[in-house]
Amino acid sequence: DAGVIQSPRHEVTEMGQEVTLRCKPISGHNSLFWYRQTMMRGLELLIYFNNNVPIDDSGMPEDRFSAKMPNASFSTLKIQPSEPRDSAVYFCASSLTQQGIILLNYGYTFGSGTRLTVV
Amino acid sequence: AQTVTQSQPEMSVQEAETVTLSCTYDTSENNYYLFWYKQPPSRQMILVIRQEAYKQQNATENRFSVNFQKAAKSFSLKISDSQLGDTAMYFCAFMKHVRAGGTSYGKLTFGQGTILTVHP
Repeated sequence: DAGVIQSPRHEVTEMGQEVTLRCKPISGHNSLFWYRQTMMRGLELLIYFNNNVPIDDSGMPEDRFSAKMPNASFSTLKIQPSEPRDSAVYFCASSLTQQGIILLNYGYTFGSGTRLTVV
Repeated sequence: AQTVTQSQPEMSVQEAETVTLSCTYDTSENNYYLFWYKQPPSRQMILVIRQEAYKQQNATENRFSVNFQKAAKSFSLKISDSQLGDTAMYFCAFMKHVRAGGTSYGKLTFGQGTILTVHP
């Protein structure tokens, strides 16, 4: 199993540009999470998808952030326009749930993250 | 809201010794789950150990064990026979089921982390 795959590993962009982060969850996992990690705020949940449907986007900071999951094997997190304060490590995680309940023997499996720097 | 507090920003230990990382949490729930994750310099978040709140027995995984004190809302991680490869940031995390979008899911909330350095 290749695990959760995120790309790119590093992204440097100029303020105002559009940034797209990508995630491929573990095959068979039906829940996907996007987290953001910063020194000031730690790890924060941005959005949760179940069976490709956004369930909880209460953590998305602003309208500049959007996330999609067009199919079970792919998700994107887009920032448009990007700002220096968006600089962070963005993690994707996947899990297996039944009726919305996380199966603890699966837990959350995290990708290696994308380090985004907006200059 | 649930909060997770790790009061030790940094810890250090000599190789082969034992170290304990502290974590406290605040919740009014009775059913929840607790985790410790390790984040080495590679950035990968790795699950170290988990504990179901309804289980009184403390979880163990090889050199890693927890001291779960439900009444005190404390969940510390003990690393025995520390190895250089244990050098990492360690996150305590709390999961409970929350309702959203007409369904419920297990939401994971993290503490701020403790940087552990193992010295040779």
